[in-house]
Amino acid sequence: DTAVSQTPKYLVTQMGNDKSIKCEQNLGHDTMYWYKQDSKKFLKIMFSYNNKELIINETVPNRFSPKSPDKAHLNLHINSLELGDSAVYFCASSQGIVRETQYFGPGTRLLVL
Amino acid sequence: QQQVKQSPQSLIVQKGGISIINCAYENTAFDYFPWYQQFPGKGPALLIAIRPDVSEKKEGRFTISFNKSAKQFSLHIMDSQPGDSATYFCAASMGSNYQLIWGAGTKLIIKP
Repeated sequence: DTAVSQTPKYLVTQMGNDKSIKCEQNLGHDTMYWYKQDSKKFLKIMFSYNNKELIINETVPNRFSPKSPDKAHLNLHINSLELGDSAVYFCASSQGIVRETQYFGPGTRLLVL
Repeated sequence: QQQVKQSPQSLIVQKGGISIINCAYENTAFDYFPWYQQFPGKGPALLIAIRPDVSEKKEGRFTISFNKSAKQFSLHIMDSQPGDSATYFCAASMGSNYQLIWGAGTKLIIKP
């Protein structure tokens, strides 16, 4: 049974399109995260929700909007996709604050053409 | 102040050798230092973590060494195996700050 799952696994789309990535965790955790990993493998935190409340909102374009319908789900919507958005997006979850172990999903590989 | 500097960027080690990855930080308020391991096509996974009240933590072939005065910590992989080939990330966090500060990653290749 997958602990943190993401859909889709791959996403190829044209510039200017709007797309969403979904994340679900079945670990009963109360904190979820979105990370962006670029081609050089650098991990950048984008957002974090704790009990559906936004607690980390890093400097990312406002074209990126997270939504947490409940504690087990954190979705990421991206408007007006740009070439520079191409990356791997990881969802993660943890029980409590960030010093707890973060469990990562398998990633969504986004390619913007 | 918020950065964690990781080196080397890449590392090739012979099977059976010792792999050493180093990280340095500036912010003395950091109090939690995890290492994550990422295999190609997968998400990172926690490997081992340390708090600054100890100077060393060992789990199997993996050891974290922590030098509080130098503000440095390192990961040692003893008897390195080809299955250890992965990207390794150090990170740090502090107090009630929810955010992990990540190093840039080290790509480790173990040659058979």
